[in-house]
Amino acid sequence: AQTVTQSQPEMSVQEAETVTLSCTYDTSESDYYLFWYKQPPSRQMILVIRQEAYKQQNATENRFSVNFQKAAKSFSLKISDSQLGDAAMYFCAYNIDSGYALNFGKGTSLLVTP
Amino acid sequence: EAGVAQSPRYKIIEKRQSVAFWCNPISGHATLYWYQQILGQGPKLLIQFQNNGVVDDSQLPKDRFSAERLKGVDSTLKIQPAKLEDSAVYLCASSPKLAGGRSSYNEQFFGPGTRLTVL
Repeated sequence: AQTVTQSQPEMSVQEAETVTLSCTYDTSESDYYLFWYKQPPSRQMILVIRQEAYKQQNATENRFSVNFQKAAKSFSLKISDSQLGDAAMYFCAYNIDSGYALNFGKGTSLLVTP
Repeated sequence: EAGVAQSPRYKIIEKRQSVAFWCNPISGHATLYWYQQILGQGPKLLIQFQNNGVVDDSQLPKDRFSAERLKGVDSTLKIQPAKLEDSAVYLCASSPKLAGGRSSYNEQFFGPGTRLTVL
C-alpha cells in the first residue's frame, strides 16, 4: 500500500519570505505522480503542482516549486515570496495514474504573517 | 466551464438518522470519486465510479453507506444510520476518463464539499 507522510502539522512564514513544506512517501512502483494540493477554509481542494516520477526535472508553477528526490522518496514544496492568500492547508498526494484515487497525507497548516 | 457542484454545503443530524449528499460532476467527466475527510486528516476514498459502474468501493462501509450514479452523471451518497464518527467533510471529485498514461494526465477536479456533523 502506498503511504504519504507529512511530518509538519503547522508551519509559519512571513509575507514575502520563502517556506518549504516536507513530504515523504512509500511505494514499490517506478512510475507514479505526486501532487501538492491547497485547501483554504472554503474547503475547495485546489491543485498547486504536479510531478511525474519519470521526469527528472523538478516541476515549477510561478512561485511554487518542488524538490523531488525519487531515491529518497521525498517531495517537498517551496513557496517563494509568500503571500497572505497562500495561507491554507497543504496536502501532499500520490497516485499511480489518472483514473486512480489520490492517496493524501495528513496535511500541513500554513500560516502567513504580515 | 462549471465546476463540480455539491449540495448541501452543511448538514447537521442526530446519530441514527439518515442523510444524503448530491454531486454533479463537470460535464463529460466519466470518472467520479467520493472522498471522506475527517478533521485533521487528508481525504480518503470511499467510492469511485467510471460512468455508472463502480471501480473501487473497498473502503466504503457498506453496512451503512451506499452510493449510486444513475445514467453516469449525477451521484448521491447516503448514510443510514449515521454514527458520530461519520462527522466529516464529504468531497466529490471528477476527472475526464480513466487512465491517461504518460501522454496526458487527467486531473481530478474537486467540489466544495459537504460538512456533516452528527450529534
